[in-house]
Amino acid sequence: AQSVAQPEDQVNVAEGNPLTVKCTYSVSGNPYLFWYVQYPNRGLQFLLKYITGDNLVKGSYGFEAEFNKSQTSFHLKKPSALVSDSALYFCAVREVSSNTNAGKSTFGDGTTLTVKP
Amino acid sequence: ETGVTQSPTHLIKTRGQQVTLRCSSQSGHNTVSWYQQALGQGPQFIFQYYREEENGRGNFPPRFSGLQFPNYSSELNVNALELDDSALYLCASSLRERTSRVDSPLHFGNGTRLTVT
Repeated sequence: AQSVAQPEDQVNVAEGNPLTVKCTYSVSGNPYLFWYVQYPNRGLQFLLKYITGDNLVKGSYGFEAEFNKSQTSFHLKKPSALVSDSALYFCAVREVSSNTNAGKSTFGDGTTLTVKP
Repeated sequence: ETGVTQSPTHLIKTRGQQVTLRCSSQSGHNTVSWYQQALGQGPQFIFQYYREEENGRGNFPPRFSGLQFPNYSSELNVNALELDDSALYLCASSLRERTSRVDSPLHFGNGTRLTVT
């Protein structure tokens, strides 16, 4: 079974400050990790992914995420937050399996990011 | 490129009724997944379709069923609606290539808000 935990329901930062949104995961095999953003009354929008390679991955809108295998974490980061970054952020995991191509992604419950001017 | 479109955007049904939700995949994508997002929660995987067949299913009862058509569009059908079925239903498409063990990231539609009274 696979699972995702986003320990913070809410993260508040001031504009211009760095931000971190935390995510830990559990899978039985190798993970395929994602971050998505959701704006009000909209579907989820893909930000970035990790499957292999460099532990620091860069994505859209200046976001990046750091994969840490020993801590089973995949925290989302941005060096300088913007007010327009305020939204609901979801971490998701999918298991990379040699036995199946079934694309079930498991999502966390989301973290609301608020960036104040 | 044409994104994922879902219809209708909102729907109100009575307990016990049946509902059909529709989804058009992003152009170039061949796999479609359906998710249920209850208020304040992350999306929960219902099932995925690839090559017009169900290819993975989450923890949802058989009254949740689906179809994928040759043009990769899809339907989600829910029979015998219950009050707890009230949620945002998200369709997401992705590309599965024969040489890859993983699908591309999910591209989501804006969802159908279903209210069961």
